Amino acid sequence: DTGVSQDPRHKITKRGQNVTFRCDPISEHNRLYWYRQTLGQGPEFLTYFQNEAQLEKSRLLSDRFSAERPKGSFSTLEIQRTEQGDSAMYLCASRGPKGRGDYGYTFGSGTRLTVV
Amino acid sequence: AQRVTQPEKLLSVFKGAPVELKCNYSYSGSPELFWYVQYSRQRLQLLLRHISRESIKGFTADLNKGETSFHLKKPFAQDEDSAMYYCALNSGGYQKVTFGTGTKLQVIP
Repeated sequence: DTGVSQDPRHKITKRGQNVTFRCDPISEHNRLYWYRQTLGQGPEFLTYFQNEAQLEKSRLLSDRFSAERPKGSFSTLEIQRTEQGDSAMYLCASRGPKGRGDYGYTFGSGTRLTVV
Repeated sequence: AQRVTQPEKLLSVFKGAPVELKCNYSYSGSPELFWYVQYSRQRLQLLLRHISRESIKGFTADLNKGETSFHLKKPFAQDEDSAMYYCALNSGGYQKVTFGTGTKLQVIP
């Protein structure tokens, strides 16, 4: 297990197109988070999964955004009808169960989205 | 609502000088605080957690509930400390982490 993997690393898309990103967390981590980071800002929370259940969504996550974690393993984040304002770094993080061994988030390298 | 404030976007210090990166938070519950670091071209990674009360790479941070602060300190800056530092607050039942806007630490040789 080499940590949290995100694919692709970079994505350039035309406005109006749909994009999908994938995150593979650390295998024993049951908690998975998606964040978005724009220039000069810290990461902003988008959504949270515990196993396959999506338990929290930010108001930042408009109807054009959807996330899944079908078998409690990898997760996908889809953005439909992309807009230029969606350009950002999309970060995935995973975390082990509460209690011993919970060392906070482990982040992936992120997917940089550019909408032209 | 929870909030994390890092007042400095950029902090420049000379090598060997002390470092203090400021962080203030607002949260009505019992806070759990972290410092994350991002070195150039690397992913965001955990530096330290207040619960552990540990020193990592010479950095320490003490939670001051009276001042609602969690400042990051190091007595002598080193070249390899140059990076982006984010203060973060764990909150809520799902342990969602709220990040500050970050402070870029630049160590001048």
